[in-house]
Amino acid sequence: GAVVSQHPSRVICKSGTSVKIECRSLDFQATTMFWYRQFPKQSLMLMATSNEGSKATYEQGVEKDKFLINHASLTLSTLTVTSAHPEDSSFYICSARSGLGTSYNEQFFGPGTRLTVL
Amino acid sequence: AQSVTQLGSHVSVSEGALVLLRCNYSSSVPPYLFWYVQYPNQGLQLLLKYTSAATLVKGINGFEAEFKKSETSFHLTKPSAHMSDAAEYFCAVSAWSGGYNKLIFGAGTRLAVHP
Repeated sequence: GAVVSQHPSRVICKSGTSVKIECRSLDFQATTMFWYRQFPKQSLMLMATSNEGSKATYEQGVEKDKFLINHASLTLSTLTVTSAHPEDSSFYICSARSGLGTSYNEQFFGPGTRLTVL
Repeated sequence: AQSVTQLGSHVSVSEGALVLLRCNYSSSVPPYLFWYVQYPNQGLQLLLKYTSAATLVKGINGFEAEFKKSETSFHLTKPSAHMSDAAEYFCAVSAWSGGYNKLIFGAGTRLAVHP
């Protein structure tokens, strides 16, 4: 299957700083990328959907100004957690999908990024 | 709106025993259904998927699932559990919202396998 990478795999930062997480599709062009958040022992919650070259669509309750998403190319999407606080500590997972949003195409998941805000 | 319910947040089986993880779905349209496995501190790996073809779907690592429309179920089974099967399992349904196709995940079931 297709490969999706995330960088970094683990990051620790101080409260008030910003953190950028990268999601890359290594062997296919991802027209759509998804960002999920997972709290310990809980399920994945979709934060936002991004299409290459357009603004991300955020799920209800997700702060757009807090979680900045950029999908500048067909192989790279970034999630920036701005002014991070301890409650932003979580496991962030991205997924990528090729093809159009109007048809089904499998999502391929990255390995996740563990964010700890002190 | 589409949703999935996983019955049992924790399931424990003996090595070599049958594994049964339950998933029920709600969908107003013919669903696409998925089972994913997650090992600690890792992303999700697709085990199998149902996309309206055969109702009995075979996946990786000896897992299979049967789509039963009358019961709105998509339970995951494996005849003989292995220690390496211990992980978190998520059932998901494909949903359309705001013009996008996205996945809705169940709460997950943690599978423990003991000797």
